[in-house]
Amino acid sequence: RKEVEQDPGPFNVPEGATVAFNCTYSNSASQSFFWYRQDCRKEPKLLMSVYSSGNEDGRFTAQLNRASQYISLLIRDSKLSDSATYLCVVKPRSSNTGKLIFGQGTTLQVKP
Amino acid sequence: EPEVTQTPSHQVTQMGQEVILRCVPISNHLYFYWYRQILGQKVEFLVSFYNNEISEKSEIFDDQFSVERPDGSNFTLKIRSTKLEDSAMYFCASGGTSSGANVLTFGAGSRLTVL
Repeated sequence: RKEVEQDPGPFNVPEGATVAFNCTYSNSASQSFFWYRQDCRKEPKLLMSVYSSGNEDGRFTAQLNRASQYISLLIRDSKLSDSATYLCVVKPRSSNTGKLIFGQGTTLQVKP
Repeated sequence: EPEVTQTPSHQVTQMGQEVILRCVPISNHLYFYWYRQILGQKVEFLVSFYNNEISEKSEIFDDQFSVERPDGSNFTLKIRSTKLEDSAMYFCASGGTSSGANVLTFGAGSRLTVL
């Protein structure tokens, strides 16, 4: 089983749509969780951290379910500029160096 | 906003040659990392470096690879005897301060093409 698993997509949605991405992780001892955004041939950039209580940043909402080892990202009112690959990222508790484990990413294409 | 800078942005080399990829991490960060991303694949951890030594490395980071912090600012990745399968984007990242924050900031990457 992959350490971090995501549906690669692509998700093709019209502007203004709401879209949700899911991610599962295999290591129940994982410590911290993040969503990163990666534009084509660019570096990953932190979108948001994910907390057990769920958290929201503008149009973006992240949820964590530790019991199911499941993370989600909801994007409301999609913009053309949201088109990118969204990476689910986990920091394992076994590592004290800040090492991150990346999922393969889910590609979002927002169409006019 | 502070950033991680990497050079070169693109390097083309012949199989069997040695390459050195350079990174300048954010100045008050304590942890430094190299990751790589083969085209179409996920970002993979290679190595982390703290207090002037390797603190963790992956199975990928074998004897072909080495890292060094030769002065107070640069952090380098050396790849000896390059192979075709070393072609990838190599990302440097830094994170962690004395206050404990540990969000990683990535550089723009160095694209390595091995012919």
